[in-house]
Amino acid sequence: EAGVAQSPRYKIIEKRQSVAFWCNPISGHATLYWYQQILGQGPKLLIQFQNNGVVDDSQLPKDRFSAERLKGVDSTLKIQPAKLEDSAVYLCASRGHSWAGTKPYEQYFGPGTRLTVT
Amino acid sequence: AQRVTQPEKLLSVFKGAPVELKCNYSYSGSPELFWYVQYSRQRLQLLLRHISRESIKGFTADLNKGETSFHLKKPFAQEEDSAMYYCAPYSGGHGSSNTGKLIFGQGTTLQVKP
Repeated sequence: EAGVAQSPRYKIIEKRQSVAFWCNPISGHATLYWYQQILGQGPKLLIQFQNNGVVDDSQLPKDRFSAERLKGVDSTLKIQPAKLEDSAVYLCASRGHSWAGTKPYEQYFGPGTRLTVT
Repeated sequence: AQRVTQPEKLLSVFKGAPVELKCNYSYSGSPELFWYVQYSRQRLQLLLRHISRESIKGFTADLNKGETSFHLKKPFAQEEDSAMYYCAPYSGGHGSSNTGKLIFGQGTTLQVKP
């Protein structure tokens, strides 16, 4: 089966610019997560979707970050405007049910997008 | 507050030596705990889950509720074990609502020298 896909893999922007990341989860996975991983730290959950609804966005800096999953499949995460401290790897993960052919408790991660803000 | 601590940023051992990666958690209720691993140039992936009591790639992890610890152990380290390891308590359910989430520790880099 295909894994979680993310694009772009790398992005360099200047502060105050905008950027968007895209994620395509494993087919059939209803739950989708976006994480921010700053260098030297573990992944921090930004937002969690269940189908196209938001389950948890308590740690999403909503003044500059937004995310959507309109049709309950692909998702985009946007930063506008970016700050230097947003430099990080942005990970997308998905989780499904056993009928989707994956372990229901396991999160499957994408390769991540490395963002550098200069 | 839910918190997980991995006190060692780097653990360096020689091949064949025993390995113990420490994880302590502060959690309400009965958490489910996982270890995730990221090998060089690979994706973050699940290593093992405490409920299953399995041994994956020679690694085991025992949940000690009294000490609130979930240390990862392997009796004889191999060079291919070199990676970043994350302890991750899980909160929430696995049912149809699927609203659970992982909280990751800061990670420990395991370096196995030849």
